[in-house]
Amino acid sequence: AQKITQTQPGMFVQEKEAVTLDCTYDTSDPSYGLFWYKQPSSGEMIFLIYQGSYDQQNATEGRYSLNFQKARKSANLVISASQLGDSAMYFCAMRAGYGGSQGNLIFGKGTKLSVKP
Amino acid sequence: DAGVIQSPRHEVTEMGQEVTLRCKPISGHDYLFWYRQTMMRGLELLIYFNNNVPIDDSGMPEDRFSAKMPNASFSTLKIQPSEPRDSAVYFCASSLGGVKTDTQYFGPGTRLTVL
Repeated sequence: AQKITQTQPGMFVQEKEAVTLDCTYDTSDPSYGLFWYKQPSSGEMIFLIYQGSYDQQNATEGRYSLNFQKARKSANLVISASQLGDSAMYFCAMRAGYGGSQGNLIFGKGTKLSVKP
Repeated sequence: DAGVIQSPRHEVTEMGQEVTLRCKPISGHDYLFWYRQTMMRGLELLIYFNNNVPIDDSGMPEDRFSAKMPNASFSTLKIQPSEPRDSAVYFCASSLGGVKTDTQYFGPGTRLTVL
């Protein structure tokens, strides 16, 4: 079975500091994609960063980076220099499987990040 | 480029009424997805289309739910009759392709409340 686990329901971070949001995944498929999305209080789902299972280097996008540890099946999101606008829910998601099932994005339950001034 | 467009943004209706949610995917995207988000179940896929053809509808909760994609730029999700437990945020998303490397881009969502 494919599964995404986010063990931190809520996190606090001081403005300008870095924060790591944890994500572990489970799949028997050797080929998969891992995604992080941000959902602010306004409700939209914003794509942040992607990591492919065969990518040799960790993905980075501006202040976002993905700490990908394949052997441990973890794909943690690192946000550097936190800003007040980073306060939001963050979801880790995975696409895996074959045929029709590979279209499916499987989401974790999310981590609520609060940035303190 | 415009993102995924959904309408209405908010819908309040009474139990038993028909509800139709609408989605316009990003131009050129061949895949369209409908998700539902609730506090209890989180985000879950309802159905997705490739080139207007439904590929996987195993997430559609029951026969009260139906989805169509009559052309590449429009899809509807219909609930008939609606029930209070259908209250949720419904997201439409689209992606260029259907493989595991393709990013899905989400619309702003429709917040449905069934009284």
